[in-house]
Amino acid sequence: GAGVSQSPSNKVTEKGKDVELRCDPISGHTALYWYRQSLGQGLEFLIYFQGNSAPDKSGLPSDRFSAERTGGSVSTLTIQRTQQEDSAVYLCASSLAGGVTETQYFGPGTRLLVL
Amino acid sequence: QKEVEQNSGPLSVPEGAIASLNCTYSDRVSQSFFWYRQYSGKSPELIMSIYSNGDKEDGRFTAQLNKASQYVSLLIRDSQPSDSATYLCVAGTASKLTFGTGTRLQVTL
Repeated sequence: GAGVSQSPSNKVTEKGKDVELRCDPISGHTALYWYRQSLGQGLEFLIYFQGNSAPDKSGLPSDRFSAERTGGSVSTLTIQRTQQEDSAVYLCASSLAGGVTETQYFGPGTRLLVL
Repeated sequence: QKEVEQNSGPLSVPEGAIASLNCTYSDRVSQSFFWYRQYSGKSPELIMSIYSNGDKEDGRFTAQLNKASQYVSLLIRDSQPSDSATYLCVAGTASKLTFGTGTRLQVTL
């Protein structure tokens, strides 16, 4: 596709349920990032995948959060036993290569609401 | 805690004026700096990147970097109502980007 796509665009769930968020990066981009943006807050880094390297999981807020990237392309962010404080917009970004000089292109985000 | 600090605003400027957005960062080893624009309800999009001290101009936008002062700014000349958005200052260190909370800019008619 032309850009980063994410699904679903909106998700409402009940506290305690598990959710899966999907990101499809730009074709050919080797780096993929997940961020979380809460109301009035900056983007919070969650996890970073670069090629076949082990992901940088240092931003995951708890062990309820996990992510995988299959075949170096599509990524899934899973939140287990969701809590109300997990409500936020989850943004995925990809870049051609990893590193901080590469432009990151963001997807439209998934708006998660935990009731 | 590595931080990027921005005034949340709103910064209100009349159409045609220069908007000046400022940012400071705490991590001295930050190597790259970006300004992203985020319209309400939309995802961020890159406006400018700057890696060395001085000014970098692109159309109506000028990014300024002063590593000694740990200060980054974005100037928008001839501001237009379509520039009304939140501007995110970003510092890159190693493999990580640290985002500020953004400055909301309002360009008034």
